[in-house]
Amino acid sequence: KNQVEQSPQSLIILEGKNCTLQCNYTVSPFSNLRWYKQDTGRGPVSLTIMTFSENTKSNGRYTATLDADTKQSSLHITASQLSDSASYICVVSANFGNEKLTFGTGTRLTIIP
Amino acid sequence: DSGVTQTPKHLITATGQRVTLRCSPRSGDLSVYWYQQSLDQGLQFLIQYYNGEERAKGNILERFSAQQFPDLHSELNLSSLELGDSALYFCASSVGQLAVYGYTFGSGTRLTVV
Repeated sequence: KNQVEQSPQSLIILEGKNCTLQCNYTVSPFSNLRWYKQDTGRGPVSLTIMTFSENTKSNGRYTATLDADTKQSSLHITASQLSDSASYICVVSANFGNEKLTFGTGTRLTIIP
Repeated sequence: DSGVTQTPKHLITATGQRVTLRCSPRSGDLSVYWYQQSLDQGLQFLIQYYNGEERAKGNILERFSAQQFPDLHSELNLSSLELGDSALYFCASSVGQLAVYGYTFGSGTRLTVV
C-alpha cells in the first residue's frame, strides 16, 4: 500500500532558528516528490518538485533533499520567519500509466517570536 | 493569486441539502482535480477531469459527482449532505493529464453542514 508518513506532526521553534521536516514514503513506482506549504484555510502552494535523479533542490530558504534508495526526503528551513508558520505537506507521485498522488498528513510548523 | 478560482469561498447549509462548488482552472490548464480536506486531516483526492472527460477517481462518495464543461471550468456537486461532509474542498489544475510538472491549487471552498 502506498503511504507517505511525515514527522514530526507538529513543531514549534523560535524565529531565526533552523528546522528540518521529514518524509518517508513507500510509494511505488516512484515518479516525483513534492513539498507544499499550506497556510491555515488556504490552498497548498508548491515549494519544490524532485524527480528520481535529483538529490537536492532549493527554493530560497527552503531546501529539500531526496534519498530514493531509502525512500526518505527532508525539508530544511533556514533562518525561520514568522510567515513560515504553516503546514508542510509531502506528496509522492507514482506513475504506472495513470499518475497517482499520495499525500502526507503534514507537519504543522509554528514560529514564535 | 494562484490563477485557480474557486467559488464560493464559504458555504453553510443544512443536512440533507445539495450544493455545487465551482472551479475555474488556470488559463491553459486542461486538467482539474478535486480534493477534500477535513479538519486536521490530509488532502483526500476525489476526482480528476482532463479536457472534459473523467480521468481518475479517488475516494469520492456516490452522493458526490463532478463534471468539467467545454470552457474547462468544473463543478463538484454534493448531495444529501451530512455533518461529516463539512470540510475544505480544494480544486487544482495542471496543463496535462499528468501533474508531473506540478499543479496549482485554488484557495478552497469551506463547506459547513449544520
